[in-house]
Amino acid sequence: EAGVAQSPRYKIIEKRQSVAFWCNPISGHATLYWYQQILGQGPKLLIQFQNNGVVDDSQLPKDRFSAERLKGVDSTLKIQPAKLEDSAVYLCASSFSKGAKNIQYFGAGTRLSVL
Amino acid sequence: AQTVTQSQPEMSVQEAETVTLSCTYDTSESDYYLFWYKQPPSRQMILVIRQEAYKQQNATENRFSVNFQKAAKSFSLKISDSQLGDAAMYFCAYISNFGNEKLTFGTGTRLTIIP
Repeated sequence: EAGVAQSPRYKIIEKRQSVAFWCNPISGHATLYWYQQILGQGPKLLIQFQNNGVVDDSQLPKDRFSAERLKGVDSTLKIQPAKLEDSAVYLCASSFSKGAKNIQYFGAGTRLSVL
Repeated sequence: AQTVTQSQPEMSVQEAETVTLSCTYDTSESDYYLFWYKQPPSRQMILVIRQEAYKQQNATENRFSVNFQKAAKSFSLKISDSQLGDAAMYFCAYISNFGNEKLTFGTGTRLTIIP
């Protein structure tokens, strides 16, 4: 069974530029999550989708971050414009459905460096 | 709000020996799950073990076992017969089975295996 796929693996941009990350969840998983992991910290949830609807985006800085999951499968996370403090690893995870009993499976993440 | 605390930023153990990683959490809920995730340099978060709060029996997965003390809100991970491949960051995580079903991570413990 294929795992959660993310691309790119690395991205280096200058501040005020825009960037997008892509995630393809495990086949059949209805719930998709984007996490931000700053160096030396644990991942922090940015946004959670159930199919193509947003369940929780309370931690998403909506003035610069946006995310979509139009067809309920793939998802993209965008940052525009990027700030220095956005340098982090962006992890995508998926689970069969929402709810604590459903294990979240993670991708390998995208490491973003903002210069 | 739920919090997860890992007080050991770094740990090291001789190959083939046993090591215990500590985790405490704070919650007013009674129904929740606890996890240990492993994050090697490849960055992918890999589930090591899961414990359901209502199960008194400590979870085990091969060389990995937990000591779950619900009253003390403690959840430690024991790795027996440590192997070089166990070297990684280990994150303790909590998710409530009621209300805010958001996975909350600790800050991690970096485990080094000494050959």
